[in-house]
Amino acid sequence: DSGVTQTPKHLITATGQRVTLRCSPRSGDLSVYWYQQSLDQGLQFLIQYYNGEERAKGNILERFSAQQFPDLHSELNLSSLELGDSALYFCASSGGASGATKNIQYFGAGTRLSVL
Amino acid sequence: AQKITQTQPGMFVQEKEAVTLDCTYDTSDQSYGLFWYKQPSSGEMIFLIYQGSYDEQNATEGRYSLNFQKARKSANLVISASQLGDSAMYFCAMREGHRGGGFKTIFGAGTRLFVKA
Repeated sequence: DSGVTQTPKHLITATGQRVTLRCSPRSGDLSVYWYQQSLDQGLQFLIQYYNGEERAKGNILERFSAQQFPDLHSELNLSSLELGDSALYFCASSGGASGATKNIQYFGAGTRLSVL
Repeated sequence: AQKITQTQPGMFVQEKEAVTLDCTYDTSDQSYGLFWYKQPSSGEMIFLIYQGSYDEQNATEGRYSLNFQKARKSANLVISASQLGDSAMYFCAMREGHRGGGFKTIFGAGTRLFVKA
């Protein structure tokens, strides 16, 4: 168990809908990262938050947005969903330890999104 | 631009033997980090090993070691004494500083390892 909790585990929805994915980081970790894993694109970095602030942005679509709350949990909002958004979405966290180990990203179990 | 290349889509290894999974990277930054993750068929991403660009010693974690050759920009994963449970997808990843003060991480395409009994 990595200590990172993602809910829900599975999500099935229709095109055009909006969903919210939730992530609770490991105790003490200040950074949260979101990734998308699909068969055609592989693992893609979406966005990073550190202590509530956006710190790095990757290949995140404008239809997607994220935030990190004061209690450090994070949500990824996906709107106007398309068939191609079907993927495994991972959250990872880091930063709670000292030294080099603070750089290690621990992943949650992922949310599998199916858009029908 | 950042790039991670894993040239072996699939590999077979006999149980109890050692295996090397290749990873090369490209970056213009001096400060970066390299990771290896394991993804079994169940789908979770399991952290294996980390190497910082300034670390002079190769990282080791149990049966895993990272053969870091900075001049060649390679970060190969060596698994010693392979076990059946090592059969999985293995991803190499690189973390680089981002202009916003955070870190962007890119992943290679992965290598699927099959361990034969």
